[in-house]
Amino acid sequence: RKEVEQDPGPFNVPEGATVAFNCTYSNSASQSFFWYRQDCRKEPKLLMSVYSSGNEDGRFTAQLNRASQYISLLIRDSKLSDSATYLCVVNRGKAAGNKLTFGGGTRVLVKP
Amino acid sequence: EPEVTQTPSHQVTQMGQEVILRCVPISNHLYFYWYRQILGQKVEFLVSFYNNEISEKSEIFDDQFSVERPDGSNFTLKIRSTKLEDSAMYFCASSEAQGSAFFGQGTRLTVV
Repeated sequence: RKEVEQDPGPFNVPEGATVAFNCTYSNSASQSFFWYRQDCRKEPKLLMSVYSSGNEDGRFTAQLNRASQYISLLIRDSKLSDSATYLCVVNRGKAAGNKLTFGGGTRVLVKP
Repeated sequence: EPEVTQTPSHQVTQMGQEVILRCVPISNHLYFYWYRQILGQKVEFLVSFYNNEISEKSEIFDDQFSVERPDGSNFTLKIRSTKLEDSAMYFCASSEAQGSAFFGQGTRLTVV
């Protein structure tokens, strides 16, 4: 089983609509969780951290369910500029060298 | 805004040659990493470096690879005897502590 799994998409989203997608992780020792965004042939950029209580950053809402080992991202009022690949990322902490483990990404295409 | 910088942006090398990829992490960061992304695939962890030593490495990071922090600012990845399958985007990243990391813009390595 892959350590971090994501639906690759693409999710075709009309501009202004809401889109949500999940990610599952296999290692219950994972300590911290993030969503990164990656544009074509560019570096991953941190979008937001994900907390157990759920957190929001503008139009973006992230949720973490430790019991079921999944993370979600919801994008409201989608903009054309939200078109990108969204990477689910987990960190198992210092004992694992603080490394980030990436999912394969979910591709989102926002269309006018 | 501080950023991770990588040089060169693109490196073409002949199979069997050695390459050195260079990175300048964010100055107050303590953890340094190398990741790679083969075209169309996910971001893969190679190695993490903390307190002047490797703290974690993946199966990919075999004897062909080495890392070094030759001075207080640079962090390098050396790939000896390059193979065609080493062609990928190599990302350097750094972090202040446990958690998320900031990525450089990457070096696209093409082995011919």
